[in-house]
Amino acid sequence: AQSVTQLDSHVSVSEGTPVLLRCNYSSSYSPSLFWYVQHPNKGLQLLLKYTSAATLVKGINGFEAEFKKSETSFHLTKPSAHMSDAADYFCVVSEGGSQGNLIFGKGTKLSVKP
Amino acid sequence: GAVVSQHPSWVICKSGTSVKIECRSLDFQATTMFWYRQFPKQSLMLMATSNEGSKATYEQGVEKDKFLINHASLTLSTLTVTSAHPEDSSFYICSAAPGAGMSDEQYFGPGTRLTVT
Repeated sequence: AQSVTQLDSHVSVSEGTPVLLRCNYSSSYSPSLFWYVQHPNKGLQLLLKYTSAATLVKGINGFEAEFKKSETSFHLTKPSAHMSDAADYFCVVSEGGSQGNLIFGKGTKLSVKP
Repeated sequence: GAVVSQHPSWVICKSGTSVKIECRSLDFQATTMFWYRQFPKQSLMLMATSNEGSKATYEQGVEKDKFLINHASLTLSTLTVTSAHPEDSSFYICSAAPGAGMSDEQYFGPGTRLTVT
């Protein structure tokens, strides 16, 4: 069975410092992995996705994530946080090729201090 | 491209009444649409999956008679919360995926906040 664990429910960083949001997954098959961002009272926006191509995936707004099969991890990083990055971030796993089987992590709230 | 809209964005209704939420794919045809529910400070939980022209598939624990889903066309799905109660208050989010054979990616709507008084 698939599962996603986001290791931190809340991460707080200062503006201009690096961001690390951790995600570990469990999947029986070759997974597709996603990171979504949700700003308050908004829908989800796709940041990036991994679908068995390059293990280092670059997304929008300067975010990137690295798929590490040996560690079953897919951590999200950004070199320098911006105030507008404050939001909820969800790590999501999907068993490749089947629509609808998206398993969401519990989310990590990112706060950015000035 | 790949824009999904929801209407209304928020709604307040009285206990016992029914509320309909629309989900539209604006610039692509969505063979499959999904309905999620999100409680405050929690993750999204899949409620049901609908395919155009066929009955929706509900997740375990979701009352199909309470949450009526209709996917009448390739660009529109509706969720009707029947006989709403305060515990149905939540953020409802839909997503849409292009036809079978495409990627896993779902395109999410902006959500509808339902408050039942």
